[in-house]
Amino acid sequence: RKEVEQDPGPFNVPEGATVAFNCTYSNSASQSFFWYRQDCRKEPKLLMSVYSSGNEDGRFTAQLNRASQYISLLIRDSKLSDSATYLCVVTSTSGTYKYIFGTGTRLKVLA
Amino acid sequence: EPEVTQTPSHQVTQMGQEVILRCVPISNHLYFYWYRQILGQKVEFLVSFYNNEISEKSEIFDDQFSVERPDGSNFTLKIRSTKLEDSAMYFCASSEALGLSYEQYFGPGTRLTVT
Repeated sequence: RKEVEQDPGPFNVPEGATVAFNCTYSNSASQSFFWYRQDCRKEPKLLMSVYSSGNEDGRFTAQLNRASQYISLLIRDSKLSDSATYLCVVTSTSGTYKYIFGTGTRLKVLA
Repeated sequence: EPEVTQTPSHQVTQMGQEVILRCVPISNHLYFYWYRQILGQKVEFLVSFYNNEISEKSEIFDDQFSVERPDGSNFTLKIRSTKLEDSAMYFCASSEALGLSYEQYFGPGTRLTVT
């Protein structure tokens, strides 16, 4: 089983739609989770951290389900500018907290 | 807002040549990382560095790779004898501290093309 697994997509959605991405991770001891956004040939940029209680930032909501070892990201009222690849990141349980990335889910918001 | 910078943005080199990729982490950060992303693939960890030594390295980070912090600001990744399969985006990242609430900040990357 891959350490961090995501559906690669692409997800093609109309503007204004709600879209959800899921991610699963294999190490039940993992403690720290993030969603990063990556535009084509650019660096990953932090979208939001994912907390056990779930968290919301504007149109974005992240949830963590430790029992099932999955993380979700919900985007409401999609904008054209949301088109990007969304990377699920889990922090390693080893000492240096290196990031373990999923392959990313590509989102295309259509006008 | 402070940011991680990397130079050059694009490097083209011939197979077998040595390359040095440079990074300037955020000034008060103590932990430094290199990651790479082969075109169309996921971002992969290469190495972490703290207190002037390697903290952890991946299987990818073999004897052809080395890292250095030659002065108080730069953090470099050297590939001694490049191979075609080293072609990738190389991202430097830094973090203020270690811990669950300290995220890593990524530089814009260096695109390495080995011909």
